[in-house]
Amino acid sequence: DAKTTQPTSMDCAEGRAANLPCNHSTISGNEYVYWYRQIHSQGPQYIIHGLKNNETNEMASLIITEDRKSSTLILPHATLRDTAVYYCIVSNYNQGGKLIFGQGTELSVKP
Amino acid sequence: DAGVTQSPTHLIKTRGQQVTLRCSPKSGHDTVSWYQQALGQGPQFIFQYYEEEERQRGNFPDRFSGHQFPNYSSELNVNALLLGDSALYLCASSLTGISGNTIYFGEGSWLTVV
Repeated sequence: DAKTTQPTSMDCAEGRAANLPCNHSTISGNEYVYWYRQIHSQGPQYIIHGLKNNETNEMASLIITEDRKSSTLILPHATLRDTAVYYCIVSNYNQGGKLIFGQGTELSVKP
Repeated sequence: DAGVTQSPTHLIKTRGQQVTLRCSPKSGHDTVSWYQQALGQGPQFIFQYYEEEERQRGNFPDRFSGHQFPNYSSELNVNALLLGDSALYLCASSLTGISGNTIYFGEGSWLTVV
């Protein structure tokens, strides 16, 4: 079973920041938080991942709480092309490429 | 730098037949994982290959088998196809030995069993 809990769906206005929450209260010390998104009929696209520090790249920012039990993915200026299902996954180093997906959050960006 | 490539992109098979799907990992990656994604569901882990051996396996029957070649590319084979095997099959590549490395997915192979 997936070790994360996410809202089923969210809406966001175009141009505004999209904040996607994820709960991973049973995360272990060696587990990373990964975020992927999937646009209909395409393969999952890597967004960002982190262990305990906040991370930022050209796509998004990842904010991890100090106790690491939850995190938030931030898309700073959402566009219509950001409409997708967003998956939050925890996975440890020893599992390599094994990711356990949950149902994800369906983000709809509206004009 | 080529990403993860999969072939074929779409195929249709008849119940009871066998199918082979192919994956080339991202350049520099040595580990390949396969996933099955049914319509409306998240991807489900099938198995993972490293150093030409199956290293981990999810809850899938023995009809699902795989292979990894010396150049790190991989094949997924499914025997005795069932209608329920219709799904998007995804390949993911990664690099073993690197803590917190990035895992990349291909665009997938759509399999329809009729």
